[in-house]
Amino acid sequence: DARVTQTPRHKVTEMGQEVTMRCQPILGHNTVFWYRQTMMQGLELLAYFRNRAPLDDSGMPKDRFSAEMPDATLATLKIQPSEPRDSAVYFCASGLYGTDYEQYFGPGTRLTVT
Amino acid sequence: GENVEQHPSTLSVQEGDSAVIKCTYSDSASNYFPWYKQELGKGPQLIIDIRSNVGEKKDQRIAVTLNKTAKHFSLHITETQPEDSAVYFCAATMGGSWGKLQFGAGTQVVVTP
Repeated sequence: DARVTQTPRHKVTEMGQEVTMRCQPILGHNTVFWYRQTMMQGLELLAYFRNRAPLDDSGMPKDRFSAEMPDATLATLKIQPSEPRDSAVYFCASGLYGTDYEQYFGPGTRLTVT
Repeated sequence: GENVEQHPSTLSVQEGDSAVIKCTYSDSASNYFPWYKQELGKGPQLIIDIRSNVGEKKDQRIAVTLNKTAKHFSLHITETQPEDSAVYFCAATMGGSWGKLQFGAGTQVVVTP
């Protein structure tokens, strides 16, 4: 049963601390997306990668957020330093560009910054 | 810029009745329109999608219609069941870009037995 996995599922941290969220896309998928979900803004696209190369990170606050794909099985989203307004659920999704349009979401990381 | 509006924000239906959720989009280059179902504490789950060259698609109790001229698309759920209770999101591709989705604000559907 192929699915996107994310760790940790929950993270509570203090303002100013570094936070790293990890995502394992579905094996064989070549495109990975990072989304953020809040009550106020809904689901927002932060960044996405294809074949490990960043294609678009225009939705991401550049000064504190960074996204990388060290290899085809791991994507990371890092916040440094974290702020209370970063509290949200962060989702990773993956898809197979060139074959179909579907995106499959992971279970999310619920981040609380105090 | 791109915008996807979704209505209603909440929808209560009796078990067995139909539910309809409507979305409008502004970008004429949008060419892919998925619908997601999100249950509490879980990630969005793709339930049905439609491409711009198709007017209607059906999968068991779920159907989606697309009117490209009017720039709107709808989700229809027939014979609703309590397990259909969830938040439903529509989305549309931005600027025709593969994978770059703009989501609607969501519809909370409650199916009462």
